[in-house]
Amino acid sequence: QKEVEQDPGPLSVPEGAIVSLNCTYSNSAFQYFMWYRQYSRKGPELLMYTYSSGNKEDGRFTAQVDKSSKYISLFIRDSQPSDSATYLCAMSASGTYKYIFGTGTRLKVLA
Amino acid sequence: GAVVSQHPSWVICKSGTSVKIECRSLDFQATTMFWYRQFPKQSLMLMATSNEGSKATYEQGVEKDKFLINHASLTLSTLTVTSAHPEDSSFYICSADIEETQYFGPGTRLLVL
Repeated sequence: QKEVEQDPGPLSVPEGAIVSLNCTYSNSAFQYFMWYRQYSRKGPELLMYTYSSGNKEDGRFTAQVDKSSKYISLFIRDSQPSDSATYLCAMSASGTYKYIFGTGTRLKVLA
Repeated sequence: GAVVSQHPSWVICKSGTSVKIECRSLDFQATTMFWYRQFPKQSLMLMATSNEGSKATYEQGVEKDKFLINHASLTLSTLTVTSAHPEDSSFYICSADIEETQYFGPGTRLLVL
């Protein structure tokens, strides 16, 4: 079993839809949870950073962490064609710099 | 936000040659940088952790004599792919650690002929 599981997609949605992206993990030591967006042939861009459980909102993006279920989510409201990219979840434990990444979910928002 | 640059953005080389990739943090000092490799439609694979002033820490299965990492200053880390072969063709991405958050460079695409 991988430490971090993420559905690779592709996930296709119409413009304006609410998108839900998810990752599950097995290591209960993870405390830091990140979501990155990666456009084709580009480096990942940090979208959201969350420590421990709870919700965090930034514009159209909301990150949720449920440590009891070992499940994290990223919601995108009013999705736009420019949101079409691969979304990577990443997590790390306290005291370590090392991130564990999901495989990424490819999202396509159709105009 | 934090900015990390990489140079070159792409490189084509002949088999057997060595290629150096630079990773710079532009507006902050980074004690720790990371080098990743990414194959098409796959996630990031950590190759090594680069620490300023000390030897890099390589992940299991990564040849340290083939992928030489130097972190000579707080703003620059370099990855040298020595005696490159076609199987080394990939997308190489660096990141810099700022307060336990990694900020990534734009990546370097390497093609070895």
